[in-house]
Amino acid sequence: DQQVKQNSPSLSVQEGRISILNCDYTNSMFDYFLWYKKYPAEGPTFLISISSIKDKNEDGRFTVFLNKSAKHLSLHIVPSQPGDSAVYFCAAQASNTGNQFYFGTGTSLTVIP
Amino acid sequence: EPEVTQTPSHQVTQMGQEVILRCVPISNHLYFYWYRQILGQKVEFLVSFYNNEISEKSEIFDDQFSVERPDGSNFTLKIRSTKLEDSAMYFCASSELAGGPHTQYFGPGTRLTVL
Repeated sequence: DQQVKQNSPSLSVQEGRISILNCDYTNSMFDYFLWYKKYPAEGPTFLISISSIKDKNEDGRFTVFLNKSAKHLSLHIVPSQPGDSAVYFCAAQASNTGNQFYFGTGTSLTVIP
Repeated sequence: EPEVTQTPSHQVTQMGQEVILRCVPISNHLYFYWYRQILGQKVEFLVSFYNNEISEKSEIFDDQFSVERPDGSNFTLKIRSTKLEDSAMYFCASSELAGGPHTQYFGPGTRLTVL
């Protein structure tokens, strides 16, 4: 039951460059999407979210893009910093049917100084 | 900044034993959740809790699991008779709102190891 997929288990990016993390989903009922960042031995930390009525949401260096027709979202980090090195999880919610979040398997981002 | 806390950080138990995992949600939050992550797999929803009742649960949350809010601050997950496959990180989360788009804030997790 892979309703949310992150097909890249890992990504390495040079400091200062753009990091692009991708997420695909299958459930057309999903209408709210979030990105969480997770460091080892810590819980997921909320980063940024987007509602399905938007196609872009920006917060500082982080921008999330949503392409509903493709059932695809992406997280852009510009410029990438070494402190951004973590595992990034995409999560989705069908807010009209419940409060459960569906998570992807995560992408491990390494920003190389 | 308010945060969700969980104890213990690591719990080791023998198969068949009962365990209780504890969480203190953010103080003004009304909705509480448990998720788990088996090593190498995705984070999976177990249960949500509101107004002293389970509001939603997944198929993972069978009769071996129960949740409780024993007082005004703690939220617990009990596993009655642990199995090897219960070994996982268990994350508690809370949210101020629910029933629509909302953000859930996660604790650091309890690593449960069943031997």
